[in-house]
Amino acid sequence: GAVVSQHPSRVICKSGTSVKIECRSLDFQATTMFWYRQFPKKSLMLMATSNEGSKATYEQGVEKDKFLINHASLTLSTLTVTSAHPEDSSFYICSANSGEDTQYFGPGTRLTVL
Amino acid sequence: DAKTTQPPSMDCAEGRAANLPCNHSTISGNEYVYWYRQIHSQGPQYIIHGLKNNETNEMASLIITEDRKSSTLILPHATLRDTAVYYCIAGYNAGNMLTFGGGTRLMVKP
Repeated sequence: GAVVSQHPSRVICKSGTSVKIECRSLDFQATTMFWYRQFPKKSLMLMATSNEGSKATYEQGVEKDKFLINHASLTLSTLTVTSAHPEDSSFYICSANSGEDTQYFGPGTRLTVL
Repeated sequence: DAKTTQPPSMDCAEGRAANLPCNHSTISGNEYVYWYRQIHSQGPQYIIHGLKNNETNEMASLIITEDRKSSTLILPHATLRDTAVYYCIAGYNAGNMLTFGGGTRLMVKP
C-alpha cells in the first residue's frame, strides 16, 4: 500500500512553545490529508481536513488558531501546535488519500508537553 | 458516516481463525465498509474494504451480508502479531474523513 510518513515520531517540549509536525505522502500525491488526535485508551478523533492550496476545515471544538495546518504541496501537510500546554499532550496521526478508495495513515507523532 | 457497533474485545487462539463482527445497520447504499487495525502506539493500518461483494486480500477476508447491515472480518490464521485494536468504519470513500468508533481489541493467545 501507499506510504505516509510523519516527523518527528515523538517530541517533548516545554509549555508555551510551538511544535511543528510534518506529514508526507512518499509515493503518491494527496490533495487531501487528515489530522487526527488520539488520547490514551481512546479512539482517533478527527481534528481537521487539510486541502492542498486552500484553508483547512476544522472539526467542531478544534481551535484553528491553536492548531495551524498548512498543506503547501501535494505531498506535504504540516500541523503546528502553537503555545502548547500539557493538555495538548497526545498522539497526533495524519492520513492521506492515495486517489483510490483508501486512506493511508502515518505512524503518528507522540507529543508530550511539560 | 453510518455508525458501527463492534464488541469491545475478543480473544483468539494462535493459528485459529479470528472472526471479528461489525454491525452497520444504518449504512447507506454508497457507503463502503473499511477495516483498519492499530497496534499499540502506531498509526492505523489499512486491512481491507468492500461495498457489496465479499473481498479477500493477503491479510484478510471481508464478508458483507446481503442486506449490508453487518460484516465480518476474518483473519484466517491469527498470529501473535495480529493482536491489535480493529476498527470497522462505514464511509463514503477515502476522500472523505473516516469516523472511528471504539473498535474491537483482539488478543491472540499462544
